[in-house]
Amino acid sequence: KAGVTQTPRYLIKTRGQQVTLSCSPISGHRSVSWYQQTPGQGLQFLFEYFSETQRNKGNFPGRFSGRQFSNSRSEMNVSTLELGDSALYLCASSYGGKETQYFGPGTRLLVL
Amino acid sequence: AQKVTQAQTEISVVEKEDVTLDCVYETRDTTYYLFWYKQPPSGELVFLIRRNSFDEQNEISGRYSWNFQKSTSSFNFTITASQVVDSAVYFCALRGGEAGSYQLTFGKGTKLSVIP
Repeated sequence: KAGVTQTPRYLIKTRGQQVTLSCSPISGHRSVSWYQQTPGQGLQFLFEYFSETQRNKGNFPGRFSGRQFSNSRSEMNVSTLELGDSALYLCASSYGGKETQYFGPGTRLLVL
Repeated sequence: AQKVTQAQTEISVVEKEDVTLDCVYETRDTTYYLFWYKQPPSGELVFLIRRNSFDEQNEISGRYSWNFQKSTSSFNFTITASQVVDSAVYFCALRGGEAGSYQLTFGKGTKLSVIP
C-alpha cells in the first residue's frame, strides 16, 4: 500500500498571502489529522477530519482551516500568513481515527 | 490535560552502545495509548510502537525494546547495539481514550546521534 502523500513538499510564501496544502491518506483510511511542527512549540495538533467532517480542532486561530473530500483526501488552508507560520506541516491518516496514525513526509512552509 | 515529557533533549552515543530514551506522561484518562515515533532528517514521522494502558507487557522487536510502567507513568525506549542509522529525533506521544478525541500529544523529542 502506498503511504500518506503530501503536496507540495516545499513552499515559500510572503506575509499576507494564503496557502493550501494537500494530503492523500493511505488507501482505506478515512481519518486525516494535521499537525504543525516548529522548533519552539514542537508538534501541535491542528485538526482532524473524518468522513468530510471536522471532528476535533486544536488551539489555532481561525486563519487555519481545512476540509476533507469524499475520497478522504484533505486540504488545509492558512490565510494571511505570518512569519510564525513557518513550519513543517504533517498530515497523518488512520482507518477510523482511534487506530495508529501514519504520517506523511510533510510540507515545509517558509514565510518571508 | 495531557502531557508528555521527554527530559533528554539530545543524546550522543558511540556505535554499538545501548541507549535508553525516557518518556514520562500525565493523563487523567483510565484508558489511553502510548506511541513512539522516529523522525529522521527527511522529516517524516515513522511509527515504531503503540501500547495500550491496559497492557503492561513489555515488548522487544529486534534491537528495540520498550518498558511500560504504569506505576511511574513511564514508557521508556531502549535501542540495543545502536547503529548510525538510528540517528534521528524520537518522539513519545499520548492519546486519550475518550471517544472521538484522537489527537496525539507529543513530547518535545530526543535527538539521538550515534557516532561511528
